[in-house]
Amino acid sequence: GAVVSQHPSRVICKSGTSVKIECRSLDFQATTMFWYRQFPKQSLMLMATSNEGSKATYEQGVEKDKFLINHASLTLSTLTVTSAHPEDSSFYICSARVSAGSLSPLHFGNGTRLTVT
Amino acid sequence: AQSVTQLDSHVSVSEGTPVLLRCNYSSSYSPSLFWYVQHPNKGLQLLLKYTSAATLVKGINGFEAEFKKSETSFHLTKPSAHMSDAAEYFCVVSEERYGGATNKLIFGTGTLLAVQP
Repeated sequence: GAVVSQHPSRVICKSGTSVKIECRSLDFQATTMFWYRQFPKQSLMLMATSNEGSKATYEQGVEKDKFLINHASLTLSTLTVTSAHPEDSSFYICSARVSAGSLSPLHFGNGTRLTVT
Repeated sequence: AQSVTQLDSHVSVSEGTPVLLRCNYSSSYSPSLFWYVQHPNKGLQLLLKYTSAATLVKGINGFEAEFKKSETSFHLTKPSAHMSDAAEYFCVVSEERYGGATNKLIFGTGTLLAVQP
């Protein structure tokens, strides 16, 4: 089946530094990938939609200059948390669809636990 | 606007007994509904989906859900719980706008299922 690989699974960084999270579709091409964030005891919230070869579409309230998304190829999207602060500590998860169409299944990565000290 | 409410944050059952995870939704249009499961340290996995076909949807691992428009519910059930079912379950509705479903998924807050031996 379709596999989405997310790396790293855990990262601890100091306040003020930047962290890059990678999301790869291993056996399919994904023109669109999605980035979610999950706060403790809360639901996943869509942060942005990553489109290959074009700018990402951010959800309301998400700072595009803080959460930089790059989707340079059909199998890789990256999320960079710039100048991280403790409040950015969260669980970030990416997903991708195997085929176009909003009802085709989403395949999720295993997520990245970010801790900012 | 669409929304989804998972009525129980925690559910505990004994192995071999039925499972019921409740979900109510709000939607102006005909919704697309999903149940996802997240096992510890693993990514989200699609259990089943409803997309305006049969109201009783069968998914993987013996789970099923029934779409009840009159009750705006999409409860997840399984006749007999197994220890491996212990995980967090998310009820999800696909955001819809004029013209049909979009790529945006709206997640419930999740229900943590514990299975006692």
